[in-house]
Amino acid sequence: QKEVEQNSGPLSVPEGAIASLNCTYSDRVSQSFFWYRQYSGKSPELIMSIYSNGDKEDGRFTAQLNKASQYVSLLIRDSQPSDSATYLCAVKIGGSYIPTFGRGTSLIVHP
Amino acid sequence: ETGVTQTPRHLVMGMTNKKSLKCEQHLGHNAMYWYKQSAKKPLELMFVYSLEERVENNSVPSRFSPECPNSSHLFLHLHTLQPEDSALYLCASSQGVGDNYGYTFGSGTRLTVV
Repeated sequence: QKEVEQNSGPLSVPEGAIASLNCTYSDRVSQSFFWYRQYSGKSPELIMSIYSNGDKEDGRFTAQLNKASQYVSLLIRDSQPSDSATYLCAVKIGGSYIPTFGRGTSLIVHP
Repeated sequence: ETGVTQTPRHLVMGMTNKKSLKCEQHLGHNAMYWYKQSAKKPLELMFVYSLEERVENNSVPSRFSPECPNSSHLFLHLHTLQPEDSALYLCASSQGVGDNYGYTFGSGTRLTVV
């Protein structure tokens, strides 16, 4: 069964800290991984995609992929209250061309 | 207009009503999708269209009927819905089915079935 697992949270971090969001998935041959941010009452917005093992950085965001351990993480440096949202992990599991979404992790950045 | 536009933003309908949700994308994408988002549940894929052809119907009840007249427009026709169908319905588009560029989502339609 295709599964993408995320801790629902909430994850609470102080402003300026590093927020670490984790996602595990069920199939070793998965190839494409995405992180979306969803503010309360809004629709998801693509933040980053990653396809190769290692780190990919974009501004304050870093995605980390470890295919052997079947996890992908999103790090947010210098967290701001405006980063408070639900972060959705999506994985194209196995040979699927459609990503499977996790339930999302709620992040709260408090001043 | 830019991006993906959905109308209406909110919809309240009775179980015997017929209504339609509309989605329009201005991105030149070739793939469009309908997703259902319920509280505490992952996004549920409903339908996938590639160049106006339906490529996936994810075991959705027949009371939901999609229509894709061209690559820019997508509709979801609703009839005889149940209260458990109340949810946020999201339209999304991508450059192509199976590409690696991710989705652009519309603002969604918040549907309440009474």
